[in-house]
Amino acid sequence: GDSVTQMEGPVTLSEEAFLTINCTYTATGYPSLFWYVQYPGEGLQLLLKATKADDKGSNKGFEATYRKETTSFHLEKGSVQVSDSAVYFCALSDPGGGGADGLTFGKGTHLIIQP
Amino acid sequence: GAVVSQHPSWVICKSGTSVKIECRSLDFQATTMFWYRQFPKQSLMLMATSNEGSKATYEQGVEKDKFLINHASLTLSTLTVTSAHPEDSSFYICSARDQGTGEETQYFGPGTRLLVL
Repeated sequence: GDSVTQMEGPVTLSEEAFLTINCTYTATGYPSLFWYVQYPGEGLQLLLKATKADDKGSNKGFEATYRKETTSFHLEKGSVQVSDSAVYFCALSDPGGGGADGLTFGKGTHLIIQP
Repeated sequence: GAVVSQHPSWVICKSGTSVKIECRSLDFQATTMFWYRQFPKQSLMLMATSNEGSKATYEQGVEKDKFLINHASLTLSTLTVTSAHPEDSSFYICSARDQGTGEETQYFGPGTRLLVL
C-alpha cells in the first residue's frame, strides 16, 4: 500500500536558518503530494501541494518539488521565523492507485524555531 | 473560506456509553468527508470516507458497527463511537473536500479529543 516517510523531529533551528524537512513516498498510482501544517491548538492547514512530477508547490516562503525519480517531496524554506514553529505533515492522495480516497500521512515533524 | 468545524472539541465519557462527534463544512458543500484518528506522536490514520446520501466506506481494520458514520447533508457528517472503551480514547479529525472546486484538497477540522474512562 501507499506510505509516506518523513524525518522525525523535533527539529530545532535558529531564526533565519535554512529549513529542509525530508519526505519520501511509495505509491501504486500517480499521487498528488501535499504538505500540511498544524499550529499549536489548531487544525491542519494546507501549506502547499503538487499534482504531477516536476511541479513545484509554494506558499509563505515554503517550497517543495515533486520528484518522481527519487519519490520525494522535500519541504524547504530559505529563512525561517519563530512563527513557523508547528508540526508539518507530508501527505499523498492516490485515488487512482485502487486504494483509499483519503490522504496517507507521514508521522509529522515538529519544528521549533528559536529567536 | 473553506472552514471546517468539529463539535465537541473534547469529550470525557464513561466506558460503555456512546459519543457523537459532528463535522461541518461552514462555507462550502462537501459530498465527501473523511474521518481520521491520530494517536499521540503518530500519524493521522484514515478511518472512513463519508459520502453524502450513501453508506460510508471503512478502511481495513475499522469496525463499522463501532464507528457509525452518517452524512445526511452536504455540510454535516457525524461519527458516533458506540459503546466506547478506554482503547477508543484518541484524537478524531475530520476533513472535507469542496465539491464546488473539484479539487482534491481536503480541509481539516480542529479535531475532537475523546477520553474514555
